[in-house]
Formats: sequence, C-alpha cells, structure tokens
Amino acid sequence: KNEVEQSPQNLTAQEGEFITINCSYSVGISALHWLQQHPGGGIVSLFMLSSGKKKHGRLIATINIQEKHSSLHITASHPRDSAVYICAVRSRGGETSGSRLTFGEGTQLTVNP
Amino acid sequence: DSGVTQTPKHLITATGQRVTLRCSPRSGDLSVYWYQQSLDQGLQFLIQYYNGEERAKGNILERFSAQQFPDLHSELNLSSLELGDSALYFCASSLEGTGGPSSYNEQFFGPGTRLTVL
Repeated sequence: KNEVEQSPQNLTAQEGEFITINCSYSVGISALHWLQQHPGGGIVSLFMLSSGKKKHGRLIATINIQEKHSSLHITASHPRDSAVYICAVRSRGGETSGSRLTFGEGTQLTVNP
Repeated sequence: DSGVTQTPKHLITATGQRVTLRCSPRSGDLSVYWYQQSLDQGLQFLIQYYNGEERAKGNILERFSAQQFPDLHSELNLSSLELGDSALYFCASSLEGTGGPSSYNEQFFGPGTRLTVL
C-alpha cells in the first residue's frame, strides 16, 4: 500500500462543475502539498497545509490531521483547470529526514467546455 | 515563473553515457531538492542539499550523484545511463527545509529536464 493515495485517478467534468479530489496518507506528517502539473510537464505548488483550510481564488484545500485526509476542491471549474493534481506529504521524520516529499500518483482532471 | 531554473530543458543521449543536469534555486533559497518522474514510478524524491551539504537521501541510484556549490546552484550527475533512466528530472528549492515544522518552507519547482536515453 502506498503511503499516499489519491482518488479518483481520472476525473472528467463539465465546465462550471464543482470538483473534489481526495488524498489519504498513512504516516504522520508535518505538511501536505497540493501540486498542479500542466500538460507540458511543469509543476506548480498550489497549497501547503499543516492544518485547517486554505483558499486561493477558486481553489480550496482542507486537511483533517486526525483522519489523515485532505481534499482539493475546485469551484466553477474551467477547461484551463485541466491538469494532473498531485498530493505530496512531508513525513514527520525529524532532523534526519530533511524535507523529502512523498507523492501520490496524481489525479488527471479534464474539464470539457 | 517559480524563479527556479533548470538546464538543459531536453537531453537526448545513449546508453552508457554520462550527463549533468543543472539547477539554480530561487534567490535566497538554501535548500535544493531533486526529483525523478518516470512513467512507471511517478514522482520520486532523489536527494536534498541544504547550504552545500547533503541533507536527505531518497531513492537515488549509486550511478547518480549530486552536489550543491557555494553559490547554491546544484548539479545532478547521471552516469552509465540505462533506458530506464529516461524521465523528467525536477529540481525544487525552498528557504530552509532543515527539519521540524517550524523551519519547513514551501518548495518551488523548476520547469524540469526531460532526459531521453536511446
């Protein structure tokens, strides 16, 4: 079992729909990232969370530390949101683990006009 | 634009060869991370440097090595290349990342180097 699991693997939506991508992890963490990878390959960091909720424009990320679960929501989705969304965690490993990230397999989102 | 630069963008080489990938972190960032993204393995952490010293090691093969120079740029050296080494190699940087939640900072990713081994 992977330390970081995402669902769904693939998601197709119509423009304007509300989208949720889920991430579950099995280790203690000090932070969780949501990343966006465009078709050209570039990776953009969307959020870094250690508790609660963050919002940026139409994107909302939440995390429940007790349940070891995070969600990424996209409101009023648009075709330009089409990308791979990747959840990554930094394990709470202390000084010897540095700041290494462990990644989920990603969710391929396609938003149709 | 994240402020992290990587060169070259594309690299095509043959099996058995050696290549060097270069990364310049954002101005002021002390930590550099290297990641490999292959089709079958997804994104994997390779190695982290902090202010010139190795900080954490992941799934990095013995044929691969890295270093961070006094000006904080980093190089990833890949030798005795195999077909399976074909992948996207990303560099990221952060201000710190020395461990502990109080010092951890967001990582900013470079555009990547696409390595093709023929």
